[in-house]
Amino acid sequence: QLQLQESGPGLAKPSETLSLTCTVSGGSISSHNFYWGWVRQPPGKRLEWIGIIYYSGNTYYNPSLKSRVTISVDTSKNQFSLTLSSVTAADTAVFYCARAVVRGYYFDSWGQGTLVSVSS
Amino acid sequence: QSVLTQPPSVSGAPGQRVTISCTGTSSNIGAGYDVHWYQQLPGTAPKLLIYSNTNRPSGVPARFSGSKSGTSASLAIAGLQAEDEADYYCQSYDSSLGGSLFGGGTKLTVL
Repeated sequence: QLQLQESGPGLAKPSETLSLTCTVSGGSISSHNFYWGWVRQPPGKRLEWIGIIYYSGNTYYNPSLKSRVTISVDTSKNQFSLTLSSVTAADTAVFYCARAVVRGYYFDSWGQGTLVSVSS
Repeated sequence: QSVLTQPPSVSGAPGQRVTISCTGTSSNIGAGYDVHWYQQLPGTAPKLLIYSNTNRPSGVPARFSGSKSGTSASLAIAGLQAEDEADYYCQSYDSSLGGSLFGGGTKLTVL
């Protein structure tokens, strides 16, 4: 059974960089059939697609976040990561990592999510 | 504009049928891109409910169904149950965005 688990600090200071890692178990991150992605949800608000990465390193980002986002993959550890720079209070959200099917770009498996608060 | 519009809320009594709409534009649903639906129970991660317009993943009851026409898509839930009370989101690819986007979400209340 595939499992995804987010990890990282639950608090970030304004203007700093937020970093999260997603560890994948029960399946290989090097599968040709899937992308690996991040979605966030500010408290009480809608889901927001952040971006996805293929095991080869190809990435696709939400244009509204592209200047601040980097998604990377470490196939040796079966992990992928998110960094979001220059954070503000508006970046406070639950961050989910998820697996996206190549044919369709839909997320068929999700992590439980981790809340990151941006506050001084 | 890259937007998928959903009604903020819908409601129905147990046993009834409800539908949730997702209205897009010519750069997403209208361009032929698939629509996917997720169910988010309170305090939990979203769960894939319908993929590629009409398909149900294994384990999703048949009373959940999806359709798509033109620039819109719909999720139908038949035989409403109390456990269906959740937020529902649609998702599609948008060519002007160059990525995927989610609808605003619809809160389903079972009366």
